[in-house]
Amino acid sequence: TQLLEQSPQFLSIQEGENLTVYCNSSSVFSSLQWYRQEPGEGPVLLVTVVTGGEVKKLKRLTFQFGDARKDSSLHITAAQPGDTGLYLCAGAQDYKLSFGAGTTVTVRA
Amino acid sequence: ETGVTQSPTHLIKTRGQQVTLRCSSQSGHNTVSWYQQALGQGPQFIFQYYREEENGRGNFPPRFSGLQFPNYSSELNVNALELDDSALYLCASSGDREGPGYTFGSGTRLTVV
Repeated sequence: TQLLEQSPQFLSIQEGENLTVYCNSSSVFSSLQWYRQEPGEGPVLLVTVVTGGEVKKLKRLTFQFGDARKDSSLHITAAQPGDTGLYLCAGAQDYKLSFGAGTTVTVRA
Repeated sequence: ETGVTQSPTHLIKTRGQQVTLRCSSQSGHNTVSWYQQALGQGPQFIFQYYREEENGRGNFPPRFSGLQFPNYSSELNVNALELDDSALYLCASSGDREGPGYTFGSGTRLTVV
């Protein structure tokens, strides 16, 4: 059982469209991290959000941490084929990360 | 600076056998964590080593054990392999026990037959 629930599980969109991935939990985390994982590779850290209500922007990616520090969202504007991958959210509690099952994003050219 | 390197990249073992997976942490990182990622799932925390001592453990049986060496590299040992142990094993290093972010290796794909 995953401590964090991600939705949707799969997302297939056309290049140029926007998308949002959600990460929800009943637990409170000291921080929440988003990773992208490509086939045959380990997860690569995209961002860490720490403060409730925090919003971080990385080019076309916008990350938000819920006020209660239990949930987060990742929004991609004008998606490109290079954004294709498995997006994982992970909540940090003490020394460990608890991951969601991931959202597989496919951006078609 | 070099990233996290894991070896071997792929491994096939028979049920009941033992396996050792290796991880070299990123330069300057003193904390190593191990995760198991089954197909279609997110990574699950196995344990963490900080300065050669186990710092925390997830819900895995004692046949999963580890070591960290003075140069902060690490090993994951699994005894009495079961079919369900087939997974991608990921090593992650950080400069602090609590992150804030971890650098992951590419993993070792273990198949138990």
